[in-house]
Amino acid sequence: QKEVEQDPGPLSVPEGAIVSLNCTYSNSAFQYFMWYRQYSRKGPELLMYTYSSGNKEDGRFTAQVDKSSKYISLFIRDSQPSDSATYLCAMSVPPSNTGKLIFGQGTTLQVKP
Amino acid sequence: DGGITQSPKYLFRKEGQNVTLSCEQNLNHDAMYWYRQDPGQGLRLIYYSQIVNDFQKGDIAEGYSVSREKKESFPLTVTSAQKNPTAFYLCASSIEGFYGYTFGSGTRLTVV
Repeated sequence: QKEVEQDPGPLSVPEGAIVSLNCTYSNSAFQYFMWYRQYSRKGPELLMYTYSSGNKEDGRFTAQVDKSSKYISLFIRDSQPSDSATYLCAMSVPPSNTGKLIFGQGTTLQVKP
Repeated sequence: DGGITQSPKYLFRKEGQNVTLSCEQNLNHDAMYWYRQDPGQGLRLIYYSQIVNDFQKGDIAEGYSVSREKKESFPLTVTSAQKNPTAFYLCASSIEGFYGYTFGSGTRLTVV
C-alpha cells in the first residue's frame, strides 16, 4: 500500500462546476499538507499549504484536512478551462527538519467550456 | 525575478553516457531537491541538500549523483548505471522550515 493514495482520474467537468480532489494517507506523523497544480510539461506550482485539520480558503480554492480520517481534499469552485491541469497532493515526511515531501500520483482535471 | 532555472529543457542521452542536468536558483533558499516524475507515479525523491557541501540520498538515488558546491547550484548527473533514465526531472528549492517548494520548469531526458 502506498503511503499517499490519489485517484489519477482523468476527471472531466463542465465549466462552472465544483470540483473535489482527494488524497488519503497512512502515516499519522505527516504534519504539513500541500496542493500543487502542474500544467503540461511544466513544473508544479504551490496552490495551498495547510497544517492543522480544518478548512483553508484562497479565492476559488478550499483545502480541507481531516487528520483523524487521514484524508485531505481540494475544492475548486466555479471551475474554469484554465484550471485544466494535474493536481498533486503532497505531505511532509518526518522528521520535520529534512524538508522532504511525499507526493500523490496526481489527478488530471479537464474543465470543458 | 527570482526563481529556479533548469537546463536544458530537453536532453537526449545515448546508452552508456553520463549526462548532467543543471539547476540554479536565485531565491537564496538553503534547501534544494531533485525529483523524478514518471507517468502515473507522481514525484519520487532522488537527492536533497539542506546546506552547501552536504546532501542526502532520497528514495531512488541509485544511478544518480549530485554536488552542492554553491548555495545557488545543485546539478544532477544521470550515470550509465541508471537503467531506466527516461523521465521528467524536476529541481526544487525551499527555505528552512517551509515545505512549500518552488519548482523549476523541468528537464525531459530521453535515452536514444
